[in-house]
Order: sequence, then C-alpha cells, then structure tokens
Amino acid sequence: AQTVTQSQPEMSVQEAETVTLSCTYDTSESNYYLFWYKQPPSRQMILVIRQEAYKQQNATENRFSVNFQKAAKSFSLKISDSQLGDTAMYFCALFLKGDDKIIFGKGTRLHILP
Amino acid sequence: DAGVIQSPRHEVTEMGQEVTLRCKPISGHDYLFWYRQTMMRGLELLIYFNNNVPIDDSGMPEDRFSAKMPNASFSTLKIQPSEPRDSAVYFCASSATVSGANVLTFGAGSRLTVL
Repeated sequence: AQTVTQSQPEMSVQEAETVTLSCTYDTSESNYYLFWYKQPPSRQMILVIRQEAYKQQNATENRFSVNFQKAAKSFSLKISDSQLGDTAMYFCALFLKGDDKIIFGKGTRLHILP
Repeated sequence: DAGVIQSPRHEVTEMGQEVTLRCKPISGHDYLFWYRQTMMRGLELLIYFNNNVPIDDSGMPEDRFSAKMPNASFSTLKIQPSEPRDSAVYFCASSATVSGANVLTFGAGSRLTVL
C-alpha cells in the first residue's frame, strides 16, 4: 500500500525566514507524481508545486522549491523569504501513474510569525 | 471558469437527519473525487468517479453514505441517517489528466456539523 508521512504536525517560523517541511512516502511503483497542497484558514486547497518522479531536477515555483530524493523517498518543501500569507496547513500528496487516486499525508500546520 | 462549486458551505443538522452535499466540477474535467477531512484522520478519499461512473467507493465509511453523479456537471454525497461522528469538512475535487498526472482542483468544502 502507498503511504505518505509528514512527521511535523506543526511548525512556527519568523517572517522572512526560510522553512523546510518534510515528507516521506512509500511506494513500490517507479512512475509517480508528488504534490504539495496548501490549505490556508479559508479552507481552500491550493496546489503549490508538483514533481514528476522521472525528472531529476527539483521543481521550483517562485519562493517554493522541493528537495526530491527518490532513493530515500523523500520530498521536502522549502519556502524561502516566508510571508504572513504562507500561514496554512501544508499537505504532501502522492499520485501513481496508472492509478487515479491521490493519497495525502496528515499535513503540517505552518505558522509564520510577524 | 468558476472552479469547483460546492454547496452548502456550512450545514448544521441533528442526528438522524438526511444530509445532501452538492458539487459542480470544472467543465471538461473527467474525474470527480469526494474527500472527508477531520482533525484525527486528515484527508480521506471517500469515492471517485471517472466519466460519471463510480470507480472506487472503498473509502465510503458505511452504507449510510452514498454518492451519485447523474451527469458530467453534478454530483451529490448523501448521508442518511447522519450521526455526530460524520461531522467533518467534505471536499469535492475534479481533475483532468495533465501530462499523465491527475492535478486536483478542490472546491471550498462543506462543513458539516451533526448535533
């Protein structure tokens, strides 16, 4: 069975600092995608970044980047120059190509402090 | 596009009552997913449809839960009878396969409170 584990239930950092959220996953498949979703207090789930497993280059989206370590099955999210608007719950998710489902981790609640 | 539209945004009901949650997916998306979010269990996949056909309902907790998708633009999740432990936020999400991956677009969620 596929699993996604986020070991940090909650984190707090000061505004403008860099923060890294951890995610590990388990699958025996070789062809998959990984995602980070953000859920701010408004409750809306928003896609932050996507990584294709066959691509070695780490995905980046503005201040958001990932560290994808395929052998270690690790997929961490780095937020640079954090802003108050980054305060949210962050979910790591796994999608297996050939499957239709996306499996989510339990989430990390991130607080950006002024 | 208005995105995925869910209604109601909030629902408070009493135990034993029937609850119907509604979802309008993004036009052109051929997948629709229902998730339930609670503090204890996180985001759980309840059921998903492909081209209006239910593909996997193994996440539906029990027979009190049912879901339908009569056409490509509408889906319902029904709980009958409702129980306090059904209190949660229910999300609908739709997707179209993009470069081999299902990229989900979520609705705003329906917060259900069963008293």
